[in-house]
Amino acid sequence: SAVISQKPSRDICQRGTSLTIQCQVDSQVTMMFWYRQQPGQSLTLIATANQGSEATYESGFVIDKFPISRPNLTFSTLTVSNMSPEDSSIYLCSVRQANTGELFFGEGSRLTVL
Amino acid sequence: AQSVSQHNHHVILSEAASLELGCNYSYGGTVNLFWYVQYPGQHLQLLLKYFSGDPLVKGIKGFEAEFIKSKFSFNLRKPSVQWSDTAEYFCAVNARRDDKIIFGKGTRLHILP
Repeated sequence: SAVISQKPSRDICQRGTSLTIQCQVDSQVTMMFWYRQQPGQSLTLIATANQGSEATYESGFVIDKFPISRPNLTFSTLTVSNMSPEDSSIYLCSVRQANTGELFFGEGSRLTVL
Repeated sequence: AQSVSQHNHHVILSEAASLELGCNYSYGGTVNLFWYVQYPGQHLQLLLKYFSGDPLVKGIKGFEAEFIKSKFSFNLRKPSVQWSDTAEYFCAVNARRDDKIIFGKGTRLHILP
């Protein structure tokens, strides 16, 4: 199984600011996924981050709002830009294990925007 | 694009009752199917998965799910629930030709002691 660490675990931010969430995996993975879980709702895929290429964004999510970096096979960052209260959510980093297909999640980053 | 529907948003049962949570997916091709659980205050964990073979799959903690291809369904079952099963349950689908996993809206299960 993969062990995923996310920083920060939680933060309270002011409207209009930006926050970068870091995701560190204990093994090399080709693909990393960023999800959002809004209060009381399911997980929504934001984007898929491949090392060495641009992230692929899902419908409703754009690079200007959620820029992603993937500098190597064990690390990724997600930035939430120009935040508004609607961005208050838990942001989750995840990876798929190649041989089992299982998706592993980090503990998540709980973001509150005032 | 694939999608997942979970019919029950909130289920309340007494201990020892039987459980069945519905899940239907929408996708014309071959899929992998998952059930994840999120206990209060914890992160998501895999309960069970179906990739191929026997359509009746068994997972952790006495859970099982049956893949019925003709119905595009992957319902989760447990014959006798416990108070500790109180959690939110998510069905998820992955199209084989794709890498991303799409989640349903979740079912919040509350077991009365």
